[in-house]
Amino acid sequence: QKEVEQDPGPLSVPEGAIVSLNCTYSNSAFQYFMWYRQYSRKGPELLMYTYSSGNKEDGRFTAQVDKSSKYISLFIRDSQPSDSATYLCAMIGNDYKLSFGAGTTVTVRA
Amino acid sequence: EAGVTQFPSHSVIEKGQTVTLRCDPISGHDNLYWYRRVMGKEIKFLLHFVKESKQDESGMPNNRFLAERTGGTYSTLKVQPAELEDSGVYFCASSLRVYNEQFFGPGTRLTVL
Repeated sequence: QKEVEQDPGPLSVPEGAIVSLNCTYSNSAFQYFMWYRQYSRKGPELLMYTYSSGNKEDGRFTAQVDKSSKYISLFIRDSQPSDSATYLCAMIGNDYKLSFGAGTTVTVRA
Repeated sequence: EAGVTQFPSHSVIEKGQTVTLRCDPISGHDNLYWYRRVMGKEIKFLLHFVKESKQDESGMPNNRFLAERTGGTYSTLKVQPAELEDSGVYFCASSLRVYNEQFFGPGTRLTVL
């Protein structure tokens, strides 16, 4: 079983729609949770970084963490064509190294 | 401020050859990480430097891979001899402290024929 499970999609939505992404994990030691965005031929870029269970908002982005269910989510409101990218969830436990999900490819249609 | 840079951006080599990848972290970042993504798989951790010392190399696949970090600045990852399964994208990341944001470079795409 993978430590981090993420549906690779692809996911295609019309401009203005809400994009909903999620990951589940099995390692109870994970304590920091991140969402990265990766454009084609680029490196991952950090979008959101959370520690505790609950919601965190940053502009059009909302990250949710539910440690009891080992489930994290990312919501993108009012999606734009420029949001088309691969979104990766990632987590850190006690060993400082990132464990990534497979990434979900998102396309926002104009 | 310059970001993490990696060289080359793409390398194509024959099986059995040697390749050296280079990473220049953000200036002042003591922590440097190497990750790899092979086709169809997740990005996987390879190793972690704190300054010039290897903190964790548990993700290195085998002894054909050798990483160094000269003087705690740039790092190199050498693959010798390269095998077909080494093909993938190799990412370098750096952070000021552990648990801080890791900033990623654009990656080196390695193709072994």
